[in-house]
Amino acid sequence: AQKITQTQPGMFVQEKEAVTLDCTYDTSDPSYGLFWYKQPSSGEMIFLIYQGSYDQQNATEGRYSLNFQKARKSANLVISASQLGDSAMYFCAMRETRDNFNKFYFGSGTKLNVKP
Amino acid sequence: EPEVTQTPSHQVTQMGQEVILRCVPISNHLYFYWYRQILGQKVEFLVSFYNNEISEKSEIFDDQFSVERPDGSNFTLKIRSTKLEDSAMYFCASRISGSGTDTQYFGPGTRLTVL
Repeated sequence: AQKITQTQPGMFVQEKEAVTLDCTYDTSDPSYGLFWYKQPSSGEMIFLIYQGSYDQQNATEGRYSLNFQKARKSANLVISASQLGDSAMYFCAMRETRDNFNKFYFGSGTKLNVKP
Repeated sequence: EPEVTQTPSHQVTQMGQEVILRCVPISNHLYFYWYRQILGQKVEFLVSFYNNEISEKSEIFDDQFSVERPDGSNFTLKIRSTKLEDSAMYFCASRISGSGTDTQYFGPGTRLTVL
């Protein structure tokens, strides 16, 4: 089974509107972390936001928020007020904690295009 | 702000040649990782490294791959005899500790092209 599933290979959003990128995960570990990374066309991986499995509140970082629904095992990224510079690939990732070393799993990504 | 650096940014090599990809993790980080991303595909975990030894590796990380921390700053990935299918972007990442709340910070990547 896939550890991380991103079902939207591509998304379009109008500039200044909000967009939700979907992510579901699969783990039996009680302690895990969920991450979103942005990969612009230049190729680097930029950390956006983190949600811990025990966190009671949804994580927020500026225009980014993570809609964490633990029972559904989903961790959707919400980008508010989209900007042209948000056009990029977005990867959801999960860290499982085993023996303190932690292994990351990445989804297949969602390519977001922001239209002017 | 401290960042992970990687050199070279792009490496072109002939099939069968050895390559060494270099990374300088963030200075106070203790856990180091290599990932691979074949063009258009997702990021795949290769190996994690802590306390001068491999802590975990994926099925991709076969005998052709090795990692080393030769001094206090560099973290290298060696591919002994490159194959065409090794062409990919290789990312190094580091974390400050094994704490569950610590994220990995990625370097800008090295694009490896095997001809």
